[in-house]
Amino acid sequence: DVQMTQSPSTLSASVGDRVTITCRASQGITSRLAWYQQQPGKAPKLLISEASALESGVPSRFSGSGFGTDFTLTISRLQPDDFATYYCQQYNTHAATFGQGTKVEI
Amino acid sequence: QITLKESGPTLVKPTQTLTLTCTFSGFSLNSAGVGVGWIRQPPGKALEWLALIFWDDETTYSPSLKTRLSITKDTSRNQVVLKVINMDPMDTATYYCAHRPPIALPTPLFDHWGQGTLVAVSS
Repeated sequence: DVQMTQSPSTLSASVGDRVTITCRASQGITSRLAWYQQQPGKAPKLLISEASALESGVPSRFSGSGFGTDFTLTISRLQPDDFATYYCQQYNTHAATFGQGTKVEI
Repeated sequence: QITLKESGPTLVKPTQTLTLTCTFSGFSLNSAGVGVGWIRQPPGKALEWLALIFWDDETTYSPSLKTRLSITKDTSRNQVVLKVINMDPMDTATYYCAHRPPIALPTPLFDHWGQGTLVAVSS
């Protein structure tokens, strides 16, 4: 299995801050990396696929980058709705794996 | 508009088989490249991918749970069914079904999710 490691596990920030979450794969996954946002009690929402392709309707303050084993999700100016848990997921192999999540809290 | 909804028991006993149904609308599982998958999330923990079925009946499973899982589809009813045998309290989780878009690589990526259904395993 490809192991996905996110850091940090928890991130404390304020509205307007720029925040960066990292995700590292245990082996190369090219650009087959997705980012999801999950609000408490809700289903995950796909934000980014192919490491950097923003899904339709996702605000442009979200951006993703990376290739191979190291990836980042950046929120340029944190908004109140952005306080949530974020997961990375690799889909380079037939067995998808998720990171352990990063909680962005106030 | 793509929607998915999970249904099934909220409580099962250890060793029993869990059967969950995903009923969807807004897409066809006859369309090339489309799939429906299952993902679960134990309370307070991370997401775990379980299984995926494609439009052409190909299936893939989590290696760690493969011997306990079965995924099937009924295209005429717009439903996908997941069975998990030999349930254990560690299988207590919210179970989600999700739509896989017709991307080039035949791997699990999910762009629309159901609301999830919480299943507890207890005697």
